[in-house]
This record gives sequence, structure tokens and C-alpha cells, in this order.
Amino acid sequence: SAVISQKPSRDICQRGTSLTIQCQVDSQVTMMFWYRQQPGQSLTLIATANQGSEATYESGFVIDKFPISRPNLTFSTLTVSNMSPEDSSIYLCSVTRFLAPQETQYFGPGTRLLVL
Amino acid sequence: KNEVEQSPQNLTAQEGEFITINCSYSVGISALHWLQQHPGGGIVSLFMLSSGKKKHGRLIATINIQEKHSSLHITASHPRDSAVYICAVRWGSGISGGSNYKLTFGKGTLLTVNP
Repeated sequence: SAVISQKPSRDICQRGTSLTIQCQVDSQVTMMFWYRQQPGQSLTLIATANQGSEATYESGFVIDKFPISRPNLTFSTLTVSNMSPEDSSIYLCSVTRFLAPQETQYFGPGTRLLVL
Repeated sequence: KNEVEQSPQNLTAQEGEFITINCSYSVGISALHWLQQHPGGGIVSLFMLSSGKKKHGRLIATINIQEKHSSLHITASHPRDSAVYICAVRWGSGISGGSNYKLTFGKGTLLTVNP
């Protein structure tokens, strides 16, 4: 299994500021995923964070807006930069454990962000 | 575009009823996941399927690869089953990991079970 913690659990931020979200996993993982879940919507992948290399961003997400760090195999941060109200969402980190033929998804508890 | 469709979007049931939530996808997959998200809570993995059927307690998940369809069943539903149920797929074929690591999510089914 994998236990994932996120900080902060929630925040209210002013337009134009930045927030860094931390994700800590209790065991080493190769890939960590950052998702956004806008109100009433399902999860959208922002980027995949690989240790020792640049994050891979999905279409519609750019590094300047969502810089990611992955300093080791148990930790990652996502920064939401120059925030606007449209960035109000839940941000989740996730890992996948592969143990063939089984794979299991683990999710952090999420960070609820409200931008005023 | 590879898509994942869930139905229904919303489902209200009385305690004890048998629940079915459906998930259809557009092309071949290597894995399908059923996830549960409680209001205000995190997301929990219920099942991972690549073929056949799995059962855990009152939950049963089936997948039909030929028809590109999966169902999640809840027997003897209870108010504590109230949650959003999400289907997610990993496209392609072959071994786990590698370039086929990304998931695509359905929009979720909001289940409310009334006492």
C-alpha cells in the first residue's frame, strides 16, 4: 500500500499570489501524478512528476503556471502561480503501485484551494 | 479522442436496493479502475480490472473487453455507500508502467442511498 499526505489541506488565497502544495508518500515511487478537480468535475491530469527529470505536462498546463519539483522518490511539490479565481479547485497527488498483474491507485487527501 | 463515459450521472436509491453503475470506453485498454470519493474526502481505489469479475464484500465489478464496458454493482446498498463513484482507464495494451501509465477518468456517478 501507499499512504499519501498533502499540505495544506485547504487554503484561501488572493488573486495574483502563488501557493505551493506538498505531497509526501510513505514509500519510494517512480512516478507521482498531480491532478486538478474543478467543482463538479472529474479529475484532470496536470503533470507527471519524475524524480531526476523535468515534469511532463499535459495539454493545457504549462510549467510557468504549475511548476513542479521532485527532489526525491517520496516527495513532490506543485506550485499554482499567479492565481486567479479559475484556479479554485481541489489539487490531488497520486501514485500507482504496479505488482503484476495488479495495479493500485493511491490518492492524497487533496488540497482545497479557493482564490478570491 | 479516447473517452470514458459513465452512467448514470446521478443515482438515488433506497437502503437495501441493488445498485448498478456503468462505464463505457472507446478503445482498447490495459486496465480499468473503479474509485470511490466521499464528499469532502479523499479517493479510494475499489477495484482494478483487466478482465472478468471481482468481488469485495457487497461490491462487484465486471468488465466485458469485447463490448468495452464495465459495471460496478452494490448489493444491499446502505447510506454509507453514498459517494461519487469514478471509472478510470489506462489506455493501450501491454505491461504495466512504461508509457501507458496515464489514466483517463469518467465524470463520476453521484450515488445517494437514503435510509
